[in-house]
Amino acid sequence: NAGVMQNPRHLVRRRGQEARLRCSPMKGHSHVYWYRQLPEEGLKFMVYLQKENIIDESGMPKERFSAEFPKEGPSILRIQQVVRGDSAAYFCASSPPTEGQPQHFGDGTRLSIL
Amino acid sequence: AQRVTQPEKLLSVFKGAPVELKCNYSYSGSPELFWYVQYSRQRLQLLLRHISRESIKGFTADLNKGETSFHLKKPFAQEEDSAMYYCALNTGGTSYGKLTFGQGTILTVHP
Repeated sequence: NAGVMQNPRHLVRRRGQEARLRCSPMKGHSHVYWYRQLPEEGLKFMVYLQKENIIDESGMPKERFSAEFPKEGPSILRIQQVVRGDSAAYFCASSPPTEGQPQHFGDGTRLSIL
Repeated sequence: AQRVTQPEKLLSVFKGAPVELKCNYSYSGSPELFWYVQYSRQRLQLLLRHISRESIKGFTADLNKGETSFHLKKPFAQEEDSAMYYCALNTGGTSYGKLTFGQGTILTVHP
């Protein structure tokens, strides 16, 4: 089992461009979580998704950010019209559908905005 | 509002010395707490969770609801314990794991 796979590992964008971050959960996991880590801070919850459903997006900024987890393919975190403040490490985690199972994390994507 | 506080950003000890990484939380519900560890060039991984009450790699952590703490302890630190440690609180209830993390503590164990 390859674990949670995130790509790209590093992403550089200019202000105003779009950033698309991908996350493939572990085999058998149907729950996906996205976290953001700003410099010098801990990880902060952004969104929790199950296949084709957003369950909790209470940590998502109201504008420019969106997430999806389609029936087929990876989960995508999309940031439109990026700004310098979006520079951060974005981590994806997954867990199986069984209640109370711990999350397994990916290596993260480091987003840098020029 | 829920919050996790790790007061020490950096902690240095010598090999064989006891180590305690502090974690305090604020949460109105029934807490479910975890310690995650990130070794150099590796991904974040679960170290232990309070409900399992087990010792992993010699580490233990006891939930103290009166003091709202979940400190991580090891009686004899090893060099391979050097890593970043995060305390995390599940605020999604029993149905799913919405984790609130502390800022992390970098533990360095000197030979």
